[in-house]
Amino acid sequence: QVQLQESGPGLVKPSQTLSLTCTVSGGSISRDSYYWSWIRQPAGKGLEWIGRIYATGGTNYNPSLKSRVTMSVDTSNNQFSLNVRSVTAADTAVYYCARESPLLWFPNWGQGTLVTVST
Amino acid sequence: EIVLTQSPVTLSLFPGERATLSCRASQSVSNNYLAWYQQKPGQAPRLLIYDTSSRATGIPDRFSGSGSGTDFSLTISRLEPEDVAVYSCQQYGSSPGTFGQGTKVEIK
Repeated sequence: QVQLQESGPGLVKPSQTLSLTCTVSGGSISRDSYYWSWIRQPAGKGLEWIGRIYATGGTNYNPSLKSRVTMSVDTSNNQFSLNVRSVTAADTAVYYCARESPLLWFPNWGQGTLVTVST
Repeated sequence: EIVLTQSPVTLSLFPGERATLSCRASQSVSNNYLAWYQQKPGQAPRLLIYDTSSRATGIPDRFSGSGSGTDFSLTISRLEPEDVAVYSCQQYGSSPGTFGQGTKVEIK
């Protein structure tokens, strides 16, 4: 069973860069036909897909965040990462990493990590 | 992008009752590519249903999905106490994939 675990700072200052890493266990990012995504959820609100990365390094981003988001993959450590630049309070949310099927639904999720943007 | 509107916001029922949750799309969902997730407090979402009506691995058969085009529903045939959660729909027929705001199911 594939498991995912997010890690990174829980507090980021406005205008700085939010950086998170997702470590995958129980399976190999490079040998899996699935994709690897980031999704976030502000308190009391719905889920928002941020983007996905393929084992090859190819990416797709949500147009609403595309100008500020970069994702990368490290197949040797079975990890993938998210950077969100120029953050504001509106970026405060629980961030989830997830394994995404080729048909684009999400069968596996990390437990989520709360990131607060504040001085 | 496609906006998904879920109703009701909150559903409060007795154990054993039937729960019907609605998810309405702002435009037709391509290939009826719609999924449902269950999210218990403090936990990550759990996939229940994909492709409108296919149950994910290990999901009890009291959960079922139906619908097409712009109108979809999730039914819990006999509500159990462990079903207390927020249920969200997701469309993945058009990019970017989008989620509804969720319906909270409570037990009376």
